[in-house]
Amino acid sequence: QKEVEQNSGPLSVPEGAIASLNCTYSDRVSQSFFWYRQYSGKSPELIMSIYSNGDKEDGRFTAQLNKASQYVSLLIRDSQPSDSATYLCAVTGFQKLVFGTGTRLLVSP
Amino acid sequence: ETGVTQTPRHLVMGMTNKKSLKCEQHLGHNAMYWYKQSAKKPLELMFVYNFKEQTENNSVPSRFSPECPNSSHLFLHLHTLQPEDSALYLCASSALAEKEQFFGPGTRLTVL
Repeated sequence: QKEVEQNSGPLSVPEGAIASLNCTYSDRVSQSFFWYRQYSGKSPELIMSIYSNGDKEDGRFTAQLNKASQYVSLLIRDSQPSDSATYLCAVTGFQKLVFGTGTRLLVSP
Repeated sequence: ETGVTQTPRHLVMGMTNKKSLKCEQHLGHNAMYWYKQSAKKPLELMFVYNFKEQTENNSVPSRFSPECPNSSHLFLHLHTLQPEDSALYLCASSALAEKEQFFGPGTRLTVL
């Protein structure tokens, strides 16, 4: 079992819709969770961090964490074509951060 | 300069060349990382330095040699590379090894 699992996609949504990106992790003691956005050919950019169960909202982005289910998600409201990118989930492990393989999101006009 | 910088941004080298990639972080962080990302593939962690000490080497071939002279600078020395080593090489830093990482813009490497 991979430490951090994401569906590779692509996830296709129309402009204005809600995009829902999911991530599961295997290490029950993980404490910190991050979402990165990576445009093609560019480096990953940190967009959200979440540390406790529940929801955390920042603009059009909402991160959701459920430690009991070992599940973290990212919701993007009012999706825009400029949101088209690969979204990486990252989870703390023992003295390191473990990245998932990413989900490719395509937002069509 | 702010954040994490990498030089050069693009590099083309032959298989017999020796070159070095440089990374510098201006964030006061204590951990630095090298990642490799081949076309349309996930990030591959190569090396981790924590307080200047190498704490992880992910079975990277010896033709890649990292160097961390201080907590702000990280180098990746390259020699006798193969065409399959062509990729985007990303440097990142974090305050501590288990904290969020901030990435540099990357070096696009092409090995001929």
